[in-house]
Order: sequence, then C-alpha cells, then structure tokens
Amino acid sequence: GAGVSQTPSNKVTEKGKYVELRCDPISGHTALYWYRQSLGQGPEFLIYFQGTGAADDSGLPNDRFFAVRPEGSVSTLKIQRTERGDSAVYLCASSLNGYSNQPQHFGDGTRLSIL
Amino acid sequence: DQQVKQNSPSLSVQEGRISILNCDYTNSMFDYFLWYKKYPAEGPTFLISISSIKDKNEDGRFTVFLNKSAKHLSLHIVPSQPGDSAVYFCAAWGSNFGNEKLTFGTGTRLTIIP
Repeated sequence: GAGVSQTPSNKVTEKGKYVELRCDPISGHTALYWYRQSLGQGPEFLIYFQGTGAADDSGLPNDRFFAVRPEGSVSTLKIQRTERGDSAVYLCASSLNGYSNQPQHFGDGTRLSIL
Repeated sequence: DQQVKQNSPSLSVQEGRISILNCDYTNSMFDYFLWYKKYPAEGPTFLISISSIKDKNEDGRFTVFLNKSAKHLSLHIVPSQPGDSAVYFCAAWGSNFGNEKLTFGTGTRLTIIP
C-alpha cells in the first residue's frame, strides 16, 4: 500500500514484558515520527527521525522507551518493562522532508494494552 | 500545560448547515497550523493547513481562519455532510521548549445530524 503501515494493530501483554511496535513509512519520506495517544487526548509527540538518526527524542517519557530506524525506512519503537500506564494507541507518521509545510501522514496505530 | 486547546469536546450540527470548530493556542512561537480528521480505529488524516503569514485558507468545503492577535483559529465546514462526522484535531507547528514539533489539541467530536 501507499500509506504508513503499522504492525501489529493490537498488542496485549502483561506488565513487565518487552514489546516492539513496527512502522513502515511512505516510500521516500525521510522524516518519521512516533506519537502516543491516550483516551480523550490528542496525539503526544515521542520522537522524530530524520533519515537514520533521532533528531529529537525529547518526548520519550523515560529510559524504558527506545526507538530505532537503522536503514532510514522502517522504524521500531521498543518498550521495556512495560507498565499499565503505557497502555495507549501508538501512532507513527511520516512526511517528505520534515518541514512544517509538509503534512504528516499517519498510520492507523497500534493499540497497546498492558494487563 | 496544554498549549493547544480545543475547549469544545463535542459539537452537533444539522446536515447542510455550517460547522465551526475552534482552537486556541498559547505559544507565540507556533507558525504553522493544521487540522486533522480522525475516524474510529484509524489514524488522523490531514485536512487543511495555514501559515501564520495568512489569515485564511480555503479548500472546497473547508476553510481555516487564523487570528494571530487572539491566538485563535477556526475550521469552517459548509455545507456539513454526514461523512464529516469524526473527531477533529487542531495542531500547531513550532518551537515547543526547544526543537520544532507538532503539538495537538485534545480534539472535538463532530456529529452531523441527517
């Protein structure tokens, strides 16, 4: 498909477990973003990649959260020692070059539930 | 500290009438504004945007107005259609405690009544 693809669409796991969420951006988009959306809230910025490098990771809540984009395309968000408060929808977005006038295109998200 | 505020969590409008969604912001460093539309279980979809150097941008049934002095923007949809029923997010681009990023409001759920 031509859009941003996120897998899995749903993930249920127990507290303390490790999870990986995958994002496949639109081909040719150099900018990739991760957001977290809790119930009743708007998407909240986590991290921004320009190519392979994390240009801004100021939104990651703590060191249990980590993300990579080793080849400048697919990105993986990794959460260690999950907590119930990590339950949310995790959204990935990509844009052509990261400039403000290039809209971010979102995937459908991964709904993460920590039991 | 909510820097982008959508004070109406929900709005109901009769089909064919005008829908007006409002958004306020507090950070004067924001210089580009966007509206996104979101259906359940889908990601947000870009709708329309406006640069801070303009006060109006129009795209078909959708018009965004920006009042910089009041730090207020609004989205007008006319005429409203049943397919417009969704959650609408206002977002602002600019420096937010450092690097430039997109800051979202909490959303307004729009329901179009047939």
